[in-house]
Amino acid sequence: GAGVSQSPSNKVTEKGKDVELRCDPISGHTALYWYRQSLGQGLEFLIYFQGNSAPDKSGLPSDRFSAERTGGSVSTLTIQRTQQEDSAVYLCASSLEAETEAFFGQGTRLTVV
Amino acid sequence: QKEVEQNSGPLSVPEGAIASLNCTYSDRGSQSFFWYRQYSGKSPELIMFIYSNGDKEDGRFTAQLNKASQYVSLLIRDSQPSDSATYLCAVNVVGYQKVTFGTGTKLQVIP
Repeated sequence: GAGVSQSPSNKVTEKGKDVELRCDPISGHTALYWYRQSLGQGLEFLIYFQGNSAPDKSGLPSDRFSAERTGGSVSTLTIQRTQQEDSAVYLCASSLEAETEAFFGQGTRLTVV
Repeated sequence: QKEVEQNSGPLSVPEGAIASLNCTYSDRGSQSFFWYRQYSGKSPELIMFIYSNGDKEDGRFTAQLNKASQYVSLLIRDSQPSDSATYLCAVNVVGYQKVTFGTGTKLQVIP
């Protein structure tokens, strides 16, 4: 595709359930980011993948959060045992290389009820 | 000290005026600098990038970079109500490789 694609666009889940969010980066982009944005707040960095290097997981808020990137392309962010405070928009971005501009997907709005 | 700092605003300017948005960064070795615009409920979109000291102009937008003082700014000339959005500064922090975002400045252009 031409841009970064995220699915689903919206997800409503019950507290305690696990959710998986998917990101398809722009083809050929080596770097991939996950961010979280609560209403009216700035971007909160979660995790960063760059090529075959070990991911930078320094932003993951708890061990309930994990992410993987298979084959250097598609990435999945998994949140286990969701809590109400996990409700936010989860944004994925990719860039051609580590230092170049990042392009964002449309985000997944997660609501935990 | 945060790696990338911006005043959260809101910055209010009248229509037709120049809006000046500022960003400072802590890593003197940073090489790449980006400005993103985020409308409410939408994803950030890239509007400018700058790598060298000085000014870079694109239409009504001018990015200014001063590596000695470690700041980057965005000027919006002839501001329009449609420019009302949050503007995010992003910097490549050498050593961390990834691009780091500031928290953004909310701009309001008053008709």
